[in-house]
Amino acid sequence: DAGVTQSPTHLIKTRGQQVTLRCSPKSGHDTVSWYQQALGQGPQFIFQYYEEEERQRGNFPDRFSGHQFPNYSSELNVNALLLGDSALYLCASSLGLGAGELFFGEGSRLTVL
Amino acid sequence: ILNVEQSPQSLHVQEGDSTNFTCSFPSSNFYALHWYRWETAKSPEALFVMTLNGDEKKKGRISATLNTKEGYSYLYIKGSQPEDSATYLCAFWMEYGNKLVFGAGTILRVKS
Repeated sequence: DAGVTQSPTHLIKTRGQQVTLRCSPKSGHDTVSWYQQALGQGPQFIFQYYEEEERQRGNFPDRFSGHQFPNYSSELNVNALLLGDSALYLCASSLGLGAGELFFGEGSRLTVL
Repeated sequence: ILNVEQSPQSLHVQEGDSTNFTCSFPSSNFYALHWYRWETAKSPEALFVMTLNGDEKKKGRISATLNTKEGYSYLYIKGSQPEDSATYLCAFWMEYGNKLVFGAGTILRVKS
């Protein structure tokens, strides 16, 4: 039973570029949430997808967008990268929109130069 | 703005010591409180999901308590082992909030 998988694991971009991060949820899960973890902070909620729609959004600018596919996998896109976007991006899957346990991937480490 | 505070920020203990950390969260509109353990180079893993005031949960040497009236949860580790070294995160789910808000975590290092 595959857990949550994320790709790529590491990537380096320059300011102004765009990036796409991918996530496959745990088998049987239909909800995907994305978190940004900057150094010294806890994971910050970016948004959540369920039934291919964005259901909740945290305090992130419109440069951050996402998508969920019919197979429940998800993408996080960040446009016009800033140095401050350098962080670990975590994907978490769950079942439905309730407050149940999240299952996390190992993250994608983004460095913006 | 929802604030979840964890203390201490970091902790160094000797093998065999018992330890505890605190998570503070808003006492109004409580729905659930999660604890996660995050080992280096791995993904965060859930320890407990707690929903009821007075709840106590236990998994091996690790246990947690919950006080929703005053807005805090304690995580206890009895007889710490080097493999307990990790960052411990708590996260608060507010009623009608539909998202988890995480604290910054407590980093535990257990020396053998």
